[in-house]
Amino acid sequence: DVKVTQSSRYLVKRTGEKVFLECVQDMDHENMFWYRQDPGLGLRLIYFSYDVKMKEKGDIPEGYSVSREKKERFSLILESASTNQTSMYLCASSLGLDGIVVYEQYFGPGTRLTVT
Amino acid sequence: AQKVTQAQTEISVVEKEDVTLDCVYETRDTTYYLFWYKQPPSGELVFLIRRNSFDEQNEISGRYSWNFQKSTSSFNFTITASQVVDSAVYFCALSLTGANSKLTFGKGITLSVRP
Repeated sequence: DVKVTQSSRYLVKRTGEKVFLECVQDMDHENMFWYRQDPGLGLRLIYFSYDVKMKEKGDIPEGYSVSREKKERFSLILESASTNQTSMYLCASSLGLDGIVVYEQYFGPGTRLTVT
Repeated sequence: AQKVTQAQTEISVVEKEDVTLDCVYETRDTTYYLFWYKQPPSGELVFLIRRNSFDEQNEISGRYSWNFQKSTSSFNFTITASQVVDSAVYFCALSLTGANSKLTFGKGITLSVRP
């Protein structure tokens, strides 16, 4: 079974704090993703990575950065948290491209972040 | 740019009813993949199905079935004899192929199944 774990289910931080959200997958997947989910807006891609030390911006990268030093771990960093970053954050992983095949993503349980 | 539309936002049915969740997509590419995910109240998205653009065969898995029609750019999901445990938010998603492919999600459909 694919397992994607996230460091916290719930997190409360103050405005201006630096926040680290950690994601670990145990299936040797090449690709990893960070999304945020907000009511009425669905899931939006923040960043993704298709290899160690590689990263690509998603649809809403502003205010976020990422780090992927090891294949199994993908970190999302909020350099200076703001109240509009209060959201549910979801991490996912998938196998890499194999020709033109796109594989399904497996998701972690999510981290509900509140910034006060 | 690609787009996924789930026009139904909320559906409520009584247990044992059949229900169809609609998904319409837009893309200019001829090669792409479509997905359905389920998000129960616990919050974790669960993968249900993946279908590529060259395979228009309908698929059935137990009470779940999917109807893919390229002519109408639709990939609809039907639950037969719904159960309370089917209550969840259901997302349809589209991915193009090529380097750095990524999922574009619809906004989701909240399904409530009443006993």
